[in-house]
Amino acid sequence: GNSVTQMEGPVTLSEEAFLTINCTYTATGYPSLFWYVQYPGEGLQLLLKATKADDKGSNKGFEATYRKETTSFHLEKGSVQVSDSAVYFCALSDRDAGNMLTFGGGTRLMVKP
Amino acid sequence: EPEVTQTPSHQVTQMGQEVILRCVPISNHLYFYWYRQILGQKVEFLVSFYNNEISEKSEIFDDQFSVERPDGSNFTLKIRSTKLEDSAMYFCASSFKGLANYNEQFFGPGTRLTVL
Repeated sequence: GNSVTQMEGPVTLSEEAFLTINCTYTATGYPSLFWYVQYPGEGLQLLLKATKADDKGSNKGFEATYRKETTSFHLEKGSVQVSDSAVYFCALSDRDAGNMLTFGGGTRLMVKP
Repeated sequence: EPEVTQTPSHQVTQMGQEVILRCVPISNHLYFYWYRQILGQKVEFLVSFYNNEISEKSEIFDDQFSVERPDGSNFTLKIRSTKLEDSAMYFCASSFKGLANYNEQFFGPGTRLTVL
């Protein structure tokens, strides 16, 4: 079956530091990949997505590249802000396995001033 | 900007009671979903719904659960006899397309269900 594995948190960084959150996946078909963000007390918001190999999703300074050869979709940001503190979820959608999203366990990011 | 809404934001109930969680998906969306997130754990798929019937469900979605689209706007999740382990945040989501190259789902803010 499909699965998503994320690095465990929490990840604690100082403001303006470089962020990487690793995500790898296993899928039977050809998935689309997503990063969702959950700010404290709120629901899930789509941060970025990529639908085919070598696609780069980007939004709000965050980027992730769909790497089919390494089955990865790592999230990066060059300079984090305190306001980026949240839980980040990597997810996939596989048309061959139905319409549901399969989520990773989430990575909590804490950015200190 | 259109958004998915959910009510109530927090529901407290006694074990064994029935609860109904309500969602209003984005108006032109055709596919509807429920997910849950037990505190500190990953978000888990429960069920998807299209064309007035369940299209997929997980092993979590047993006979205690049901979904309904009672009118043209609402999408509900009913738990017939709640258990302590049903305590979780329940997220509704909707999407315009299902079987597409990608499937962008829009999530509501969630309903926190607490079973005492």
